[in-house]
Amino acid sequence: EVQLVESGGGLVQPGGSLRLSCAASGFTFSSYTMNWVRQAPGKGLQWVSYITGSSSTIKYADSVKGRFTISRDNAKNSLYLQMNSLRAEDTAVYYCVRRESSAWYYFDSWGQGTLVTVSS
Amino acid sequence: DIQMTQSPSSLSASVGDRVTITCRASQSISSYLNWYQQKPGKAPNVLIYAGTSLETGVPSRFSGSGSGTDFTLSISSLQPEDVATYYCQQSYSTPYTFGQGTKLEI
Repeated sequence: EVQLVESGGGLVQPGGSLRLSCAASGFTFSSYTMNWVRQAPGKGLQWVSYITGSSSTIKYADSVKGRFTISRDNAKNSLYLQMNSLRAEDTAVYYCVRRESSAWYYFDSWGQGTLVTVSS
Repeated sequence: DIQMTQSPSSLSASVGDRVTITCRASQSISSYLNWYQQKPGKAPNVLIYAGTSLETGVPSRFSGSGSGTDFTLSISSLQPEDVATYYCQQSYSTPYTFGQGTKLEI
């Protein structure tokens, strides 16, 4: 069974930093492109970033480019999101999401999410 | 960026009704269109991928149609457990973008 478990969320002041982690199990982690998707309270879904299995390709949404860094450790089956210069508008539940390995690139497994609150 | 527009934003229907939600892309995305269901307090789950393909384990009352810019999610006979918010998403190009969601109530 595929499991994705996020951690590291919490309350942080504007301008602060936070590092999210995602522990993966139940599949060959290194074979999959992994994503972060966020959802502000009461709002819709927003894709944040992805990293391919070998870390050779990384993409970001414009809203986080230059502030967030995605990374992975395949030996530890873990995905990370380093978030710097946080803003109030970054407040959201952050989901760790697996992208299906076919050519259709849909999101086939989601974690339960971790809440990040940016507030003074 | 490719903009995804869903309609309606909310919908109320009765058990047994046929329900249809539409999604329009701002440019052609071939069949790179996916549908997700999100129940309150839970993570989303994929229902339909590649425009028309039913994800394993999803009830057959859910179906998808369309290609290019116009897509539809249909529920043939609405069940109480289908109360949720539904999102379309394009996986044609980054940034991957979602529709604003359709909240379905009974």
